[in-house]
Amino acid sequence: EVQLVESGGGLVQPGGSLRLSCAASGFSFNIYWMTWVRQAPGKGLECVANIKYDGSEKYYVDSVKGRFTISRDNAQNSLSLEMNNLGADDTAVYFCARGRNYHIFWGQGTLVTVSS
Amino acid sequence: DIQMTQSPSSLSASVGDRVTITCRASQNIRNYLNWYQQTPGKVPKLLLYGASTLQSGVPSRFSGSGSGTDFSLTISSLETEDFATYYCQQNLSAPLTFGGGTKVDI
Repeated sequence: EVQLVESGGGLVQPGGSLRLSCAASGFSFNIYWMTWVRQAPGKGLECVANIKYDGSEKYYVDSVKGRFTISRDNAQNSLSLEMNNLGADDTAVYFCARGRNYHIFWGQGTLVTVSS
Repeated sequence: DIQMTQSPSSLSASVGDRVTITCRASQNIRNYLNWYQQTPGKVPKLLLYGASTLQSGVPSRFSGSGSGTDFSLTISSLETEDFATYYCQQNLSAPLTFGGGTKVDI
């Protein structure tokens, strides 16, 4: 059974940093692109970043370029999102999702709240 | 980035109704278009990919059409469990982008 479990969310002050993790199991992690998608409260979906199966390609939405870094550890079947200089607009539930072109499997998400 | 615009943003319907949601891309995306359904408190569920290919397990009352810049999702006969928010997503180029969503309620 495919499982994706996010962790690391929480309350952080504006300008702060947070590192999200996603533990993957039930599939061959090292052959899939992985994606972080976020959803602000009551709002729509936004692909934040994705990473190729070997980590050699990474893409970011413009609003997070230079602040967020996606990475993966295929030996540990884990995906990470390092988030710096956080602002109120980054408040959202962050999901990790398997795949690049479409996402069948999603984690349950971790809530990031940016507030003073 | 490619912009995706959905319409309407919300609609009211009844069980048994035929419902159509449209999605427009800011540039030609050929058929690189997915549709998702999200109910409150749940993660999105993939309905269709390639604009018109039904994901395994999705009921046949859902169908998709279109290519280029204009796409549509049709639910032929609305059922209770279909009251949800629907999102289109282009997957021609990174970063993948979603439409703003269409909420279907009673």
